[in-house]
Parts: sequence; structure tokens; C-alpha cells
Amino acid sequence: NAGVTQTPKFQVLKTGQSMTLQCAQDMNHNSMYWYRQDPGMGLRLIYYSASEGTTDKGEVPNGYNVSRLNKREFSLRLESAAPSQTSVYFCASLDRGSSYEQYFGPGTRLTVT
Amino acid sequence: RKEVEQDPGPFNVPEGATVAFNCTYSNSASQSFFWYRQDCRKEPKLLMSVYSSGNEDGRFTAQLNRASQYISLLIRDSKLSDSATYLCVVMSYGGSQGNLIFGKGTKLSVKP
Repeated sequence: NAGVTQTPKFQVLKTGQSMTLQCAQDMNHNSMYWYRQDPGMGLRLIYYSASEGTTDKGEVPNGYNVSRLNKREFSLRLESAAPSQTSVYFCASLDRGSSYEQYFGPGTRLTVT
Repeated sequence: RKEVEQDPGPFNVPEGATVAFNCTYSNSASQSFFWYRQDCRKEPKLLMSVYSSGNEDGRFTAQLNRASQYISLLIRDSKLSDSATYLCVVMSYGGSQGNLIFGKGTKLSVKP
């Protein structure tokens, strides 16, 4: 039982390049989330998916797109990276069955130069 | 008023001390409350849920005051390993933010 996995762990991009951050969970959770975390800003929600087939914008969606590929996988795409997107990105899934505990992946450290 | 507010700290305390953090929330319809712990350069992990009657888990005690819209976390007999950032999380049903709102965190540093 791996929980929430994310790839890659680290990435350096040049301005204008694109990339996709991958996330998968093996806990059969319906809800999945993408956050970014910057110093002094806390966790900010980018997009979330309440269930397979649905996605919704969070607080800071500009410059990002998401795909809920199936119940397990939720990817985040940067179409044209900008230095302002330098951040740590966390994927999470939520247990709505009982505890409402949110489980996080280990994060992706992205630098855009 | 921000949705979830915490004192960012840092709280610098000696080993063995008792330390308390508060968190205020603005949505009176909020229904679930949590404290998460985040170690440096790691992902957040659930520390404990906060129940209306208050709850205790070893050295940690969480309280909820719905009338004043705040939750608290008390850590007794602090250990070096308690050094981390503590995130207050409030969950509301409905709304546009996926339901969970995170505070920015309170940093705790426990010194020998």
C-alpha cells in the first residue's frame, strides 16, 4: 500500500517549457487535489477532483490544467512554465468514508528559470 | 477576515515545556476540524482530528470552541521531535475550495 505517489520529485524547467506532474493513489479515494506551497503562503489549492470524471478550479488555477485519468490518477500540467510557478507541488487524496483525513504525496520541487 | 488564521510563530520553547497554538476560522458553517503536522521539506500529515467535546492523544490535546470559532492545540512535555510546522485545517461542506481550508501554519522549535 503505497498511499499517494508523485513523480517527478524534482524538476527544473526553462520559461515556456511544458511538463506534466503525475499523481496516483491506491486507497480507492474519490477526491483528489493539487496544491502548491510557497514560503509564507501556506498551501494553496490549484485544482481538485471530487470524483472520477469531474474537476474544479481552486484558489490559484491560472497557468495549470488537470486531468482525472481514472479513479487512481490525477495529473497536473503546466503548458508554458513561468518563474512564478516555482514552488513545491503536493498531490492529495481524501478519505470521505470515515475520517476525512487527507493523504499527501511527497511533493514535487519545481524550479522555473 | 481570512478564512483560517494562525500565528506563524516561530514558537521557541525548551524541552519539557507546554505550548499552545490557536487557530481562528471565519465560516461558522464549518463542520470538521483537524491539526496537521509538516516537517521541513516533507508533506503534511494528520496529527489529530478535533472533536466538539475536545480530545486527547498522549501529550497532545485539541479543543474546539464553536461559539468563538477557534480551535487550539496543546502540547505538553515538548520533545525535540515535536519541532515542525502545525497546520490548522477546517472543512466545510459545499463551497468552491474543495471543502478543506488550510491555515498557513505555526512553526514550533523545541530546543534542548
